[in-house]
Amino acid sequence: GAVVSQHPSWVICKSGTSVKIECRSLDFQATTMFWYRQFPKQSLMLMATSNEGSKATYEQGVEKDKFLINHASLTLSTLTVTSAHPEDSSFYICSAKTGGRNEQFFGPGTRLTVL
Amino acid sequence: GESVGLHLPTLSVQEGDNSIINCAYSNSASDYFIWYKQESGKGPQFIIDIRSNMDKRQGQRVTVLLNKTVKHLSLQIAATQPGDSAVYFCAENLGDYKLSFGAGTTVTVRA
Repeated sequence: GAVVSQHPSWVICKSGTSVKIECRSLDFQATTMFWYRQFPKQSLMLMATSNEGSKATYEQGVEKDKFLINHASLTLSTLTVTSAHPEDSSFYICSAKTGGRNEQFFGPGTRLTVL
Repeated sequence: GESVGLHLPTLSVQEGDNSIINCAYSNSASDYFIWYKQESGKGPQFIIDIRSNMDKRQGQRVTVLLNKTVKHLSLQIAATQPGDSAVYFCAENLGDYKLSFGAGTTVTVRA
């Protein structure tokens, strides 16, 4: 149990286009989902926290208008990178938790490459 | 800002030996810590966690030690196996379940 999936697993896009990444909790209801970004050989950096039905809370330095997060249901959160540029190329990872547990369950990540 | 850091970026260990990975944290108010394993191209995988009211917790082949006096966390892996080769991160709970990850230690197991 407690499986989190992400789609797509990798994506290549042209500079200036927008890309949507999905994060799904497959066998549990995720009241809270988190989005992280990880550059090569670096640690995970929290970008934002999203609660179902509420606006996402962004970490300092993360542009909310560039990284649009929607958490419309208890099993799905989406991250849209708008007007992507090469510096947005990174590994994007989501995690999800239920209301009754501290543990976060991580997705497999999405590799974004912007040309 | 306050962050969680790791003492050593890389660790090379002989198969069958024990591994010790260290982590220093600076937020004395942190009450929950987690160790994760990340293999190349994958998301983090939960290994073990510990609350601040404990100083030791054991799992299968892994032990986490917490020293709140010096704000130090360690992960011990017994009888390290090739499958243990990965990057290991410690993370601390900042509150509201938000996690701050350390820099990561790359563990390489020599056959």
